[in-house]
Amino acid sequence: TQLLEQSPQFLSIQEGENLTVYCNSSSVFSSLQWYRQEPGEGPVLLVTVVTGGEVKKLKRLTFQFGDARKDSSLHITAAQPGDTGLYLCAGVRGAQKLVFGQGTRLTINP
Amino acid sequence: AAGVIQSPRHLIKEKRETATLKCYPIPRHDTVYWYQQGPGQDPQFLISFYEKMQSDKGSIPDRFSAQQFSDYHSELNMSSLELGDSALYFCASSEAVLGKLFFGSGTQLSVL
Repeated sequence: TQLLEQSPQFLSIQEGENLTVYCNSSSVFSSLQWYRQEPGEGPVLLVTVVTGGEVKKLKRLTFQFGDARKDSSLHITAAQPGDTGLYLCAGVRGAQKLVFGQGTRLTINP
Repeated sequence: AAGVIQSPRHLIKEKRETATLKCYPIPRHDTVYWYQQGPGQDPQFLISFYEKMQSDKGSIPDRFSAQQFSDYHSELNMSSLELGDSALYFCASSEAVLGKLFFGSGTQLSVL
């Protein structure tokens, strides 16, 4: 069973559109992280959210941590082809063991 | 800035052979994590070390072992390789207090 469920798993949209990716769990995490991974490369950390209800912005990307610290969302405004990639959410549990969601493969078409 | 270094970048082995993957963490990072990512899969946690001691264990097979050395680099030893071991193996490091993980580029292991 997947501890962190991401949706959608695949998303293909046109340049300029907005999108939201969700990361949900029935478990509470001390923090949630979002990563972006390119093919054949390691995940690169985008942001860490720690406080319930926290919102962080990274240019056109907005990350939100749920009030109960069980879920998170990533919203991209005016998507660009350079945003194409695999987006992974990951929750921190225990001795900093990071548990990943299955990822959202995002394709932005010019 | 220095990143996590993994070697080798690619490795091809045959069934029942052994393999050793190496990871050099970012300087001053004392915690190392190993993850396995199968094709189209999310990274699965294998094992982690803090200050040269195993700190957490995930879905690491008994055929695999790992350790962290005095210079904080880590090695993942894999024996009796199986076809299903073919995957991308990532190492990540962090400063224990901050908890932010920085990943290496991975070792692509192919078992034939």
